[in-house]
Amino acid sequence: SQTIHQWPATLVQPVGSPLSLECTVEGTSNPNLYWYRQAAGRGLQLLFYSVGIGQISSEVPQNLSASRPQDRQFILSSKKLLLSDSGFYLCAWTLLGQGHYGYTFGSGTRLTVV
Amino acid sequence: GENVEQHPSTLSVQEGDSAVIKCTYSDSASNYFPWYKQELGKRPQLIIDIRSNVGEKKDQRIAVTLNKTAKHFSLHITETQPEDSAVYFCAASIAGNTPLVFGKGTRLSVIA
Repeated sequence: SQTIHQWPATLVQPVGSPLSLECTVEGTSNPNLYWYRQAAGRGLQLLFYSVGIGQISSEVPQNLSASRPQDRQFILSSKKLLLSDSGFYLCAWTLLGQGHYGYTFGSGTRLTVV
Repeated sequence: GENVEQHPSTLSVQEGDSAVIKCTYSDSASNYFPWYKQELGKRPQLIIDIRSNVGEKKDQRIAVTLNKTAKHFSLHITETQPEDSAVYFCAASIAGNTPLVFGKGTRLSVIA
């Protein structure tokens, strides 16, 4: 069966420090991958999505970037964190090619920038 | 692009009563409408979804209705239980083409 792993679960980082969050999917090939951010008490904001290796679409211009170095690996990065980057970061996957349109989310990373 | 509005933002019901959450979308090309439930501190989980070729779908105590003409869809939960307390998100997309766009969520509280 397919599983999605996301780490770390929690992270406290100072302003101006770099960030790297990793997401991997097991048990499937060529998934669509997504990064969403959820601010405290708010909705789910799409940050990036990828339909294949090296293919990244950005939805919100900001100091974050994403990369997909391997088929089932999706990385969210920042060179210098801002206070406004605090939030709950969720990775998700789906298999559109098989008519699987619903997303499965990872367990999330709670990032606090101090 | 797609815009999804969700109402109400908070909803309190007595245990055993029904709860209804409503969403509207802007892009008439959208054809896939899922609902997610997120318990406190946890990941959102898909509870039900509907495609635009169907007007209603049921799964035990949960049902979703879709009105394509009016561009709105609703989640209905009957015989609510305390474990239904959570934040519920609606979403819309063009299946197989665009990412899901989520509403801002509804915090449902079921009072025992």
